[in-house]
Amino acid sequence: TQLLEQSPQFLSIQEGENLTVYCNSSSVFSSLQWYRQEPGEGPVLLVTVVTGGEVKKLKRLTFQFGDARKDSSLHITAAQPGDTGLYLCAGTTGNQFYFGTGTSLTVIP
Amino acid sequence: KAGVTQTPRYLIKTRGQQVTLSCSPISGHRSVSWYQQTPGQGLQFLFEYFSETQRNKGNFPGRFSGRQFSNSRSEMNVSTLELGDSALYLCASSPVQANYGYTFGSGTRLTVV
Repeated sequence: TQLLEQSPQFLSIQEGENLTVYCNSSSVFSSLQWYRQEPGEGPVLLVTVVTGGEVKKLKRLTFQFGDARKDSSLHITAAQPGDTGLYLCAGTTGNQFYFGTGTSLTVIP
Repeated sequence: KAGVTQTPRYLIKTRGQQVTLSCSPISGHRSVSWYQQTPGQGLQFLFEYFSETQRNKGNFPGRFSGRQFSNSRSEMNVSTLELGDSALYLCASSPVQANYGYTFGSGTRLTVV
C-alpha cells in the first residue's frame, strides 16, 4: 500500500476538456508538491503547497491542498496536448518524503 | 544556472556485471537523492546524501550503494546486476532537503540483458 494514492491512474481526454487529478493519504503532510514528467526525462517541479486549504494557480493549472493536509488536487482547464505526461504528487510526513503512485495523462489533439 | 547532470544517459549491461552512475547536482545544492523508476513500481527511493553522509536509505538490497563527494557530486553503484534492475535511475538535488522541492536530472536508462 502506497502512502500517497493518486486517481485516476490513467486519463485520456480531448484537447479543450477540463480534468482533475487527486492525491490522497490517511497521513498528514507538512507540504505537498506536484511534478510533471515527460517520457525519457526526469520529473519537473510544478508547485509546492504548505498551508491547509491553500490554492495556487499556474496558468491553466490550479492546485489545492486539503484543509486537513491529507489530500491535494490538480485541476487543468482547457487541456492541451503539451499537458501530456505523468503527474506525480509528493510530500513530507514524519520526516520522510514520499512520491504518489502517479497519473498518466494523454491529451488528444 | 546548470541543471542536474546525469551520466551516462543510456547503459546496457550483462547480468552479473556492476555499474556506476554519476550525478552532478545544481551548484549550491547539498542534498542528492537517487530514485529507481519502473513502469510497475513507480518511483522508488534508493538513498539520500547530504554533505557526504548518507542521511536516508530506502528498502533496496545491499547491492545498491552510493556515495557523495566533497563537491556534492554523487555516484551510485549496483553490483551483481539482475534483469530486474533494468530501470530509469533518477538523481535529484535540493538545497537542504526534499520538502524544499527537488530538481531532477534526465536520468540514466539502464538495461540489463
